[in-house]
Formats: sequence, structure tokens, C-alpha cells
Amino acid sequence: DVKVTQSSRYLVKRTGEKVFLECVQDMDHENMFWYRQDPGLGLRLIYFSYDVKMKEKGDIPEGYSVSREKKERFSLILESASTNQTSMYLCASSPDRMTGYTFGSGTRLTVV
Amino acid sequence: KNQVEQSPQSLIILEGKNCTLQCNYTVSPFSNLRWYKQDTGRGPVSLTIMTFSENTKSNGRYTATLDADTKQSSLHITASQLSDSASYICVVSLTRTGANNLFFGTGTRLTVIP
Repeated sequence: DVKVTQSSRYLVKRTGEKVFLECVQDMDHENMFWYRQDPGLGLRLIYFSYDVKMKEKGDIPEGYSVSREKKERFSLILESASTNQTSMYLCASSPDRMTGYTFGSGTRLTVV
Repeated sequence: KNQVEQSPQSLIILEGKNCTLQCNYTVSPFSNLRWYKQDTGRGPVSLTIMTFSENTKSNGRYTATLDADTKQSSLHITASQLSDSASYICVVSLTRTGANNLFFGTGTRLTVIP
């Protein structure tokens, strides 16, 4: 069964901490994405990657960075966590730019 | 402005009953439309995907319809079960390439009660 695995279901971090959210897919997909999901706002794209070491900004990249050193792994980094980054973070992958995405189970991040 | 709007925002139905969720979009040029089911605290899971030429697509008790002329889609759930309780998200794609060619609705929260 194909999978997108996010390393943590729940995280609680303090303001100012550096936070790493990890995502691994086993489908050999070229494309990987990070979204955040907030009530009433739907999913918003933070960053995406079409290839190893390649990254592009989505709609709300401020305060975030990403790393894709290997094809199967896409990491989201919060350089200095803030309370407004409390959210559900979803990783997704797809084989191409037109096919449906496979989502991970999500990471619920709380910044206190 | 490209938008996807879903209605109702939330819905409560009795187990065994049918229901229909709506999705209206202004996204253009249209490529495809997807419905996802998202259980609480989990990631979305794809139910159906429809292209411009498809009017209806079924996945078990879920049937999605698409009217590309009026830019409307619906998701019909037949004989609802408690496990259908979830958020249902409509996602519309543009024909252009690029990750931010996806537009997400904010979802309909369905609760099925015994």
C-alpha cells in the first residue's frame, strides 16, 4: 500500500524554537508538497518541490523553509516557531503535476 | 478570482439517510475536480477525480457529478454510515502546470448520527 508518512502526529513546541517536520513517501513520486490547514481557510500551499534539491514557494512561505536532499524525503522547517504557526501541517506527493495527490496523516503543531 | 465554495458548511444526518454536498467554482481554465474525505485529525483521502468530459463518477456509496457549464459539482452519499462522518473537500485544478494550480474548498463537515 502506497504511503506518505509524516514523522509526528502531534508536536508541542515553544516560541522561538527551530522545528523540523519530516515527510517520507515510498511511491517514487517526483512531486512533494507542504500545506497547512486552518479552520475556515482550507489548505494553503507553503512550499513544493518537483525534484531533488529543487524547491519553490507556494502561497504562504513566510517563516518556513524546506529541504529535499533525497527524492523520498521532504522536510519543512520553522526557523523560529511563532504562535501563529500553530496549525495542522499536511504533506502530499504526486507522480506528476496533474494527478491526484496522496496525503500524509498530518502533524498537529502547537506553538506555545 | 479563482475560488471554490462548498455548501453547506456543516451537515448532520441520521444513519441510513442520503445526503448531497455542493461545490461551486470559478476556477478557469478548468482541468479536473476532485473530492477528498478527511477524517478528524487525519490527512485527506481521494474519493473521485473528474475531468471536463465526465459528468458522473462513483466510488461505492459515493457518487460525484460535474456540470462544467455551470461550474458546479455535487457529492452524493447513499445510505450513510457512521464512518462517513468526516470533512469532505472539493479541489479544482487549472490546466496550467505548477503546484499552485490547485484550489481547495474549505470543506463540508458531515456528522452521521445513529
